[in-house]
Amino acid sequence: DIQMTQSPSSLSASVGDRVTITCRASQGISNYLAWFQQKPGKAPKSLIYDASSLQSGVPSKFSGSGSGTDFTLTISSLQPEDFATYYCQQYKNYPVTFGGGTKVEIK
Amino acid sequence: EVQLVESGGGLVQPGGSLRLSCADSGFTFSDHYMDWVRQAPGKGLEWVGRIRNKANSYTTEYAASVKGRFTISRDDSKNSLFLQMNSLKTEDTAVYYCASSGGSYRPIQHWGQGTLVTVSS
Repeated sequence: DIQMTQSPSSLSASVGDRVTITCRASQGISNYLAWFQQKPGKAPKSLIYDASSLQSGVPSKFSGSGSGTDFTLTISSLQPEDFATYYCQQYKNYPVTFGGGTKVEIK
Repeated sequence: EVQLVESGGGLVQPGGSLRLSCADSGFTFSDHYMDWVRQAPGKGLEWVGRIRNKANSYTTEYAASVKGRFTISRDDSKNSLFLQMNSLKTEDTAVYYCASSGGSYRPIQHWGQGTLVTVSS
């Protein structure tokens, strides 16, 4: 199975900060990587697919990059509605696997 | 707008069975691959399994943790997805989400709101 490792597991940031979350795959997955946002008590929301493509309706403050084993999710200017937990997911191989999540909290 | 709505969750004893359903509206259900993803209380997301579309013979994939106990099926005539869960264990306690994707090497696009399954005596 492909292991997905996210870092950090949590971070504290202020409104307006630029935030970067990393995700590392245990083997190469080309660009078959997605990012999801989840708020407490809610279903996940799809943000990015194919490592860097924004899902329809997702604001451009979110961006993704990377290929192979190393990927990043960047939020250019953190807003109150962005405080949530973020997950990466690889969909190159079965079983599909998720990272452990990164909780973004208010400083 | 795509809307996936799960139902069928509840409390079940260890060793018991439960069947979850997911109804779709707003998109061409039959074209899509459909997934189940679960989340134990306070934990991260865990992929449960996938069913492909008719063009790919409705074949399925499962996580090792549920293989042989869970079965995914679909009824395209009713735009519905199912998860039959047998031999339930306490560690199966989770919110179960259905989700849609465009196919192989395509990401999950849409999620349902989830249904809670509690396995406890």
